[in-house]
Amino acid sequence: ETGVTQTPRHLVMGMTNKKSLKCEQHLGHNAMYWYKQSAKKPLELMFVYNFKEQTENNSVPSRFSPECPNSSHLFLHLHTLQPEDSALYLCASSQGERGDLAKNIQYFGAGTRLSVL
Amino acid sequence: EDQVTQSPEALRLQEGESSSLNCSYTVSGLRGLFWYRQDPGKGPEFLFTLYSAGEEKEKERLKATLTKKESFLHITAPKPEDSATYLCAVQAWGYGQNFVFGPGTRLSVLP
Repeated sequence: ETGVTQTPRHLVMGMTNKKSLKCEQHLGHNAMYWYKQSAKKPLELMFVYNFKEQTENNSVPSRFSPECPNSSHLFLHLHTLQPEDSALYLCASSQGERGDLAKNIQYFGAGTRLSVL
Repeated sequence: EDQVTQSPEALRLQEGESSSLNCSYTVSGLRGLFWYRQDPGKGPEFLFTLYSAGEEKEKERLKATLTKKESFLHITAPKPEDSATYLCAVQAWGYGQNFVFGPGTRLSVLP
């Protein structure tokens, strides 16, 4: 079983739809992340959760709403998105801030390819 | 402002033709530098972590090195299966465990 699993792998939605992306990690980590990856641009950090607490919101529009019910699961709720939100959304996990440096390595899921029509 | 740049943007090599990818960074206190490989339609896969200038790590045909301003990923005698985008990320003191990613180098190795 892969360490970080994301579902769905592909999602097409209209601008008025509401959908959710799911991420689950099986690595026993305490920190989880959402990133956005657009063509020709570096990965953009969106949200960070440490021990279920949100510790980073990188000026993300409110149409993206994260939820972290426990250290193993992370959701990204989407509503009234814009076409420019079409991208690959990646989830990652790491041991977290309280670990030593070697445990700060982030492990990524395969991503959800989102298309907004 | 912390910045990470990578060069070249794209690189085409013949199988067996060795080369190097560059990652340059400006951060106020490097905590760690990370190399990832990303295949099309997949998430980044961790390769190496480097923490201090002079450090080197090796894995199969890949070798990563670190100086105070940049890191190199050396690819020796590459094979077509090494074709991927290689991403560099830095972690700085004062930013917790957050990474700043570079834009990546897209490597193509032709048979």
